[in-house]
Amino acid sequence: GAGVSQSPSNKVTEKGKDVELRCDPISGHTALYWYRQSLGQGLEFLIYFQGNSAPDKSGLPSDRFSAERTGGSVSTLTIQRTQQEDSAVYLCASSSDPHSNQPQHFGDGTRLSIL
Amino acid sequence: LAKTTQPISMDSYEGQEVNITCSHNNIATNDYITWYQQFPSQGPRFIIQGYKTKVTNEVASLFIPADRKSSTLSLPRVSLSDTAVYYCLVGDRGSTLGRLYFGRGTQLTVWP
Repeated sequence: GAGVSQSPSNKVTEKGKDVELRCDPISGHTALYWYRQSLGQGLEFLIYFQGNSAPDKSGLPSDRFSAERTGGSVSTLTIQRTQQEDSAVYLCASSSDPHSNQPQHFGDGTRLSIL
Repeated sequence: LAKTTQPISMDSYEGQEVNITCSHNNIATNDYITWYQQFPSQGPRFIIQGYKTKVTNEVASLFIPADRKSSTLSLPRVSLSDTAVYYCLVGDRGSTLGRLYFGRGTQLTVWP
């Protein structure tokens, strides 16, 4: 079966532009997470969705970052007025139940480079 | 959430058993211990999870002593393809809604 799919796999854009990153979770997974990984670092939590609602947005680094999820499936992470420090790999994960033993399954990420 | 401490890097040779130990002195009663593996340009992949004693699956074993202040991931007979970063995480899925906290992990390099 298909895993978590993210697009684009790579994105290069100029400072100040807006970008949209897409995540298609595993079918039937109700929980969806966004993380950010800078070069040589561990993962930094950004936001968590349960269904279409986001009970935990505490990891979003600034108000330039927003995310939505529609139909309990696809999610988009939007970064407005990008800055060079936004350059990182953005990873999405999904889980069938965050309150049980079900692990999070990750996509391979979007590598974002801000020039 | 409990902080974890693990070696930055380890080296091994093909066919050897590798043990990576993680310290989590402040682990809480409800916390589980989970290990992920990450290859370059890929997302982390779940390896194994446990609460106490020993857990084994087709990929690895996880040893957790009675005080649960540490855990050891054991990879039997490693191959070159096991070269990756290994992350140890602890957390209570119920209270954190499944949010995962990753440190820098352990870079395992397997040599021929």
